[in-house]
Amino acid sequence: QPVLTQSSSASASLGSSVKLTCTLSSGHSSYIIAWHQQQPGKAPRYLMKLEGSGSYNKGSGVPDRFSGSSSGADRYLTISNLQSEDEADYYCETWDSKLGVFGGGTKLTVL
Amino acid sequence: EVQLVESGGGLVKPGGSLRLSCAASGFTFSNAWMSWVRQAPGKGLEWVGRIKSKTDGGTTDYAAPVKGRFTISRDDSKNTLYLQMNSLKTEDTAVYYCQYFDWLLPPQGYWGQGTLVTVSS
Repeated sequence: QPVLTQSSSASASLGSSVKLTCTLSSGHSSYIIAWHQQQPGKAPRYLMKLEGSGSYNKGSGVPDRFSGSSSGADRYLTISNLQSEDEADYYCETWDSKLGVFGGGTKLTVL
Repeated sequence: EVQLVESGGGLVKPGGSLRLSCAASGFTFSNAWMSWVRQAPGKGLEWVGRIKSKTDGGTTDYAAPVKGRFTISRDDSKNTLYLQMNSLKTEDTAVYYCQYFDWLLPPQGYWGQGTLVTVSS
């Protein structure tokens, strides 16, 4: 079963960029993941599907400021030109044949 | 427009049962693999389980903490997903979300608004 590891917190200044990391466990480095955003008090929102090749497909309405990339077992979510509304929890998710798995989430603070 | 609307949450005593529903619209529900995800207060997201479409066997898979206590089912005639929760424990207290992925290009993911289940004496 895959395990996803995320840093618990990150911070960056308004208008800057930030890169969040989700690391797949050994033996699962080729897995596809999804990134989700959860703003305070709201349901999660799907951001994108991200493949090991770095190819990504964003959800409808997701701003161009959001992009994805990959390197080995690491999957990245980059947010450019940070806005106050980007302050949220970000989760990665993956699946195997039997189970779904979430990372622990990264709390992003916009300074 | 895809909509997922959960209902059925509430307060239940430890050892009790509850059935959650997720009413789906805006897509061909019978072809969809549907999942339940939960979030305990102040905690992260936790995958609960999944049901495949009947075309793909209609089988279910569950996370270890709920296996044997929770049952996922579907009524394709009503476009509704269910989560039957038995032998509830205080640690099952959470907001429960239904989740759907449409993997046709471009892929999209969808979440309901969630329903709160509180297990307390």
